[in-house]
Amino acid sequence: DIQMTQSPSSVSASVGDRVTITCRASQGISSWLAWYQQKPGQAPKLLIYAASSLESGVPSRFSGSGSGTDFTLTINDLQADDFATYYCQQANIFPLTFGGGTKVDI
Amino acid sequence: QLQLQESGPGLVKPSETLSLTCTVSGGSISSSSYYWGWIRQPPGKGLEWIGSIYYNGNTYYSPSLKSRVTISLDTSKNQSSLKVNSVTAADTAVYYCARLWKATTKFDYWGQGTLVTVSS
Repeated sequence: DIQMTQSPSSVSASVGDRVTITCRASQGISSWLAWYQQKPGQAPKLLIYAASSLESGVPSRFSGSGSGTDFTLTINDLQADDFATYYCQQANIFPLTFGGGTKVDI
Repeated sequence: QLQLQESGPGLVKPSETLSLTCTVSGGSISSSSYYWGWIRQPPGKGLEWIGSIYYNGNTYYSPSLKSRVTISLDTSKNQSSLKVNSVTAADTAVYYCARLWKATTKFDYWGQGTLVTVSS
């Protein structure tokens, strides 16, 4: 199985900040990576797919980059609505696997 | 607009079988463009992929759950079903169903999730 390691596990930030979250795969997955945002009591919401493609309706302050084993989710100009937990998911091959999550709080 | 809705018992006894249904509306579960997946999240923890099924019935399971899990489709009802046998307290979680787009393997639509507690 491909293991996904996210860092940091949590980050404190303020409105207007830039936040960067990293996800590392245990083996190469090309660009087959997705990012999700989850708020308490809600289902995850797709933000980014294919490592850098922005899902329809997602604000442009969210961006993704990377390929192979190392990936990054960047949130520019952090808004109050962005405080949540973020997960990466490798989409290269079954079994699918998620990272452990990164909580972004104030 | 596609909608997914999980349903099933919220309480299951240890050693029994957990059974959930995902009803899809606004789209066909028989489309060759998608898989239909199940993901769970224990309280306070991260997401765990359980398995996915393709419209032709091909299934893919998490190795850690494969011996206890069955996912199926009922195309006449536009539903996916999940069964987990021999449950323990470790199976207590919010269970989500989600659509997995085959071309990019992204989960683009999710149900709201349903909490299943395993307790006597």
